[in-house]
Amino acid sequence: AQSVTQLDSQVPVFEEAPVELRCNYSSSVSVYLFWYVQYPNQGLQLLLKYLSGSTLVKGINGFEAEFNKSQTSFHLRKPSVHISDTAEYFCAVISGNTPLVFGKGTRLSVIA
Amino acid sequence: DAMVIQNPRYQVTQFGKPVTLSCSQTLNHNVMYWYQQKSSQAPKLLFHYYDKDFNNEADTPDNFQSRRPNTSFCFLDIRSPGLGDAAMYLCATSRVSGLVSYTFGSGTRLTVV
Repeated sequence: AQSVTQLDSQVPVFEEAPVELRCNYSSSVSVYLFWYVQYPNQGLQLLLKYLSGSTLVKGINGFEAEFNKSQTSFHLRKPSVHISDTAEYFCAVISGNTPLVFGKGTRLSVIA
Repeated sequence: DAMVIQNPRYQVTQFGKPVTLSCSQTLNHNVMYWYQQKSSQAPKLLFHYYDKDFNNEADTPDNFQSRRPNTSFCFLDIRSPGLGDAAMYLCATSRVSGLVSYTFGSGTRLTVV
């Protein structure tokens, strides 16, 4: 079965510092990878997705992620975070015809 | 704007009293999903409809049912809510030809008292 591992449950970072949120997936077939952000008591907003092509994907709010097939990773990065980036971030995967499967999430806390 | 709308945003129900959550979409997407997200956990798929075909996840409790009377609407029925069913319930849609693009609603937060 498809699975996604987010290695860090919480990541505190100072404002304007860079951040990386880690995500690894398990699959022996081709995958589509996603990062979603969730603010308190709200639904999920798509940050970016990898379907094919360039392994470096740029998304909204200055985020980007790099698909690494050999390491089965799809880490999310931002060079300079803002207080408003404080939220829960979910990595997710689709493989074949299976519905979207989420990782357990990483809570990003930006400290002023 | 075309979107996925969930009503209500907040729902309080009594222990054991049936409750229905609503989802509607203006995207004309074939597939509709219901996810359950408990506090500080990842969203977990309960079931989905591929047009009128119902697909239940193996570990979804019998207490949870769903109806899709037409393309636009999908309902989640909880027959006898327990305290453990308190969660955020998220509805999502996707096209058959583009299953990689999901659109999520804002969710309904269910409280069981």
